[in-house]
Amino acid sequence: DGGITQSPKYLFRKEGQNVTLSCEQNLNHDAMYWYRQDPGQGLRLIYYSQIVNDFQKGDIAEGYSVSREKKESFPLTVTSAQKNPTAFYLCASSFNSNQPQHFGDGTRLSIL
Amino acid sequence: GESVGLHLPTLSVQEGDNSIINCAYSNSASDYFIWYKQESGKGPQFIIDIRSNMDKRQGQRVTVLLNKTVKHLSLQIAATQPGDSAVYFCAEILAGYSTLTFGKGTMLLVSP
Repeated sequence: DGGITQSPKYLFRKEGQNVTLSCEQNLNHDAMYWYRQDPGQGLRLIYYSQIVNDFQKGDIAEGYSVSREKKESFPLTVTSAQKNPTAFYLCASSFNSNQPQHFGDGTRLSIL
Repeated sequence: GESVGLHLPTLSVQEGDNSIINCAYSNSASDYFIWYKQESGKGPQFIIDIRSNMDKRQGQRVTVLLNKTVKHLSLQIAATQPGDSAVYFCAEILAGYSTLTFGKGTMLLVSP
């Protein structure tokens, strides 16, 4: 089945630790996105990539990093510089910015 | 787990009623709008979209209305079912930009 796969579903981070969230898509989409969702809030854009080997910061990029070495993959690293990382992280992809984004089922990150 | 619906505006309806969920957008330069449905613990699911050159678009049991004069978007769900219970988000893209801006969402509760 075509879709977007995020892993793991739940992730725990220790103080001072970097963690990486995986996002893979087999929809042949060029654009990929990472969002953060806090309880009772809408989605806020962390980073996005419109093409392989290129990405741009979103509204809340501080404390996060990404890479886009392959079209299918857009991993997000939550670094120790992100002081409030507890949230639900959502990855999305689309053919381009004028087409709907399709979402994975998210990774819930918590602090130990 | 935590609900994404905490502190959200809530619309409660009876099964079989028609539901109307509203969204105000702030930027008159927005030219593409999308409605998403998010169930607890899952990623947003695309429902329907509309471009600014239209004022109405219909899907299966859903209709989106766009009023550019007052910058208002609505989602109408006909014959609402318990499975429609979820948080609904509107999202917009500004002309010439490549990223979506999401509203904070409305929780729809459908009673049998």
